[in-house]
Amino acid sequence: DAGVTQSPTHLIKTRGQHVTLRCSPISGHKSVSWYQQVLGQGPQFIFQYYEKEERGRGNFPDRFSARQFPNYSSELNVNALLLGDSALYLCASSLRTSGATYNEQFFGPGTRLTVL
Amino acid sequence: AQSVAQPEDQVNVAEGNPLTVKCTYSVSGNPYLFWYVQYPNRGLQFLLKYITGDNLVKGSYGFEAEFNKSQTSFHLKKPSALVSDSALYFCAVRDPYSPDRDDKIIFGKGTRLHILP
Repeated sequence: DAGVTQSPTHLIKTRGQHVTLRCSPISGHKSVSWYQQVLGQGPQFIFQYYEKEERGRGNFPDRFSARQFPNYSSELNVNALLLGDSALYLCASSLRTSGATYNEQFFGPGTRLTVL
Repeated sequence: AQSVAQPEDQVNVAEGNPLTVKCTYSVSGNPYLFWYVQYPNRGLQFLLKYITGDNLVKGSYGFEAEFNKSQTSFHLKKPSALVSDSALYFCAVRDPYSPDRDDKIIFGKGTRLHILP
């Protein structure tokens, strides 16, 4: 089975531009989360979407937004890019079954965003 | 606030020797704990998790971790290191009582593991 896929793999933008990153979850997974990993740091949670609704939001400015589509794929949008937005953006999907059991998240390879 | 600490930026181990990568956590109640590994230019790969039950958790590639509630630790271990184990390792925690009911997990800053041939 295919894992989590993300596109593009690399992206170079300039300050002030807008960027859209895409993620396709593992087949059958309905929950998608986005993380930002700055060089030398651990990933930081940005958003989680489940059944097309936002279920969680990290401490990121409103320039960051996301959505989930009926096929459970997701887009992360970042407006008015800053140099500090340069990072590896990771998408993760999980089964998110009902009940108390937690289902681990499976990560994609990431999109490397460079802002010049 | 929940957090996880990895006190070592880098750990060097000779091939064939046992390895330990340290992790301590701070969260109210009983945490969900995870270890992930990241190879160069790759995403994160899930190694193992502790939710409840036996304190010794076995995971992928021969790794295991021991949950110690009194020391609030969740150290990653392997009896015999391989050169191919060289990578960046992340400990992570989720608050099971998160009021947001989301799946957010908090990562440590990572420990780079070097296995010397």
